[in-house]
Amino acid sequence: QQPVQSPQAVILREGEDAVINCSSSKALYSVHWYRQKHGEAPVFLMILLKGGEQKGHEKISASFNEKKQQSSLYLTASQLSYSGTYFCGTTYNFNKFYFGSGTKLNVKP
Amino acid sequence: DTEVTQTPKHLVMGMTNKKSLKCEQHMGHRAMYWYKQKAKKPPELMFVYSYEKLSINESVPSRFSPECPNSSLLNLHLHALQPEDSALYLCASSPLGGQYLGYTFGSGTRLTVV
Repeated sequence: QQPVQSPQAVILREGEDAVINCSSSKALYSVHWYRQKHGEAPVFLMILLKGGEQKGHEKISASFNEKKQQSSLYLTASQLSYSGTYFCGTTYNFNKFYFGSGTKLNVKP
Repeated sequence: DTEVTQTPKHLVMGMTNKKSLKCEQHMGHRAMYWYKQKAKKPPELMFVYSYEKLSINESVPSRFSPECPNSSLLNLHLHALQPEDSALYLCASSPLGGQYLGYTFGSGTRLTVV
């Protein structure tokens, strides 16, 4: 039932760009994005509430295609600090928040 | 204060032990959550509290017993756990309507059942 993310893992060099995709088999009404570093709390990055919405957070931005039940996270000019596991997430039923399958990002010098 | 604080950070317990995990927030959030995260997996929802009342139990075994004594505090009581219950237990909080506003997570309690 959880959203599916692709790719499962990606390795980048500093300064390279990446795109992480999040797809749902059910209608999406909102999409959250979180980053979790090993052994730490998931950290809220942004939320998209409307189809067609795009948001930015420093060099990290996201888009939400409500019709396609998809969201994408864009990381540009990646930095070492971007390493971690990225999760999308959504609420299918009232207050039941489901994380996506996760994408592990490793940025190397 | 924009943090969710969880204690202890690490816990090792035997299968016959009784222990409790504690979660605290002072952001005025009226919804609090417990999640379980196994290695290399996404967090999975266990319980949701709204206004200190249990509103969602995701078919969690009764050896996990949540409690919300007040609007700032959330406990998870553990009894007769199994080794497969070893995981990172995350607490989160949000304003009501967290699905539109986002969730704040604690750094978790890493539980090992021996």
